[in-house]
Amino acid sequence: NAGVTQTPKFQVLKTGQSMTLQCAQDMNHEYMSWYRQDPGMGLRLIHYSVGAGITDQGEVPNGYNVSRSTTEDFPLRLLSAAPSQTSVYFCASTVRGNSPLHFGNGTRLTVT
Amino acid sequence: RKEVEQDPGPFNVPEGATVAFNCTYSNSASQSFFWYRQDCRKEPKLLMSVYSSGNEDGRFTAQLNRASQYISLLIRDSKLSDSATYLCVVLGSSNTGKLIFGQGTTLQVKP
Repeated sequence: NAGVTQTPKFQVLKTGQSMTLQCAQDMNHEYMSWYRQDPGMGLRLIHYSVGAGITDQGEVPNGYNVSRSTTEDFPLRLLSAAPSQTSVYFCASTVRGNSPLHFGNGTRLTVT
Repeated sequence: RKEVEQDPGPFNVPEGATVAFNCTYSNSASQSFFWYRQDCRKEPKLLMSVYSSGNEDGRFTAQLNRASQYISLLIRDSKLSDSATYLCVVLGSSNTGKLIFGQGTTLQVKP
């Protein structure tokens, strides 16, 4: 049981490049979400999903796309990277809406 | 106004001290509340859930005050290993799983 697995751990992009941050969980959790964390700020919700085929926007969705084709996977796509997207990204999952989150180890992204 | 607000600190306390953090939330319909702990550059980990009746786990006590819309975390007999950032987390709606995080309160326990 690996929990929540995020890849890559580190990534450097140039402005305008696109990439996908991967997130997978093996706990059969319905709820999955993506957060970003910037210095001096808490985690801010980017996108979330309450089940396969269902996604919705969080607080800071601009510049990001998500899809949820399976229960296990919830990739986050950066369409055209900008320096403002330099951040630490965390993927999380939970069995139901009012349960605690299980986090991945995070992806540290730098956009130059 | 932010949905969840915390004093960022840092709180610098000696070993053995008792320290308390508060967190206020703006949505009176919020249903679930948690305290997470985050060590430097690591993922947040659940410290404890916060129940209406309050709950205690060893040296840690969490309280919820719905009337005033705040939750608190009390740490007794602080240890060096308690040094971390403590995140207050509020669930707005149980059918969306949208957890809103405060910016965190940093605790430094000194020898």
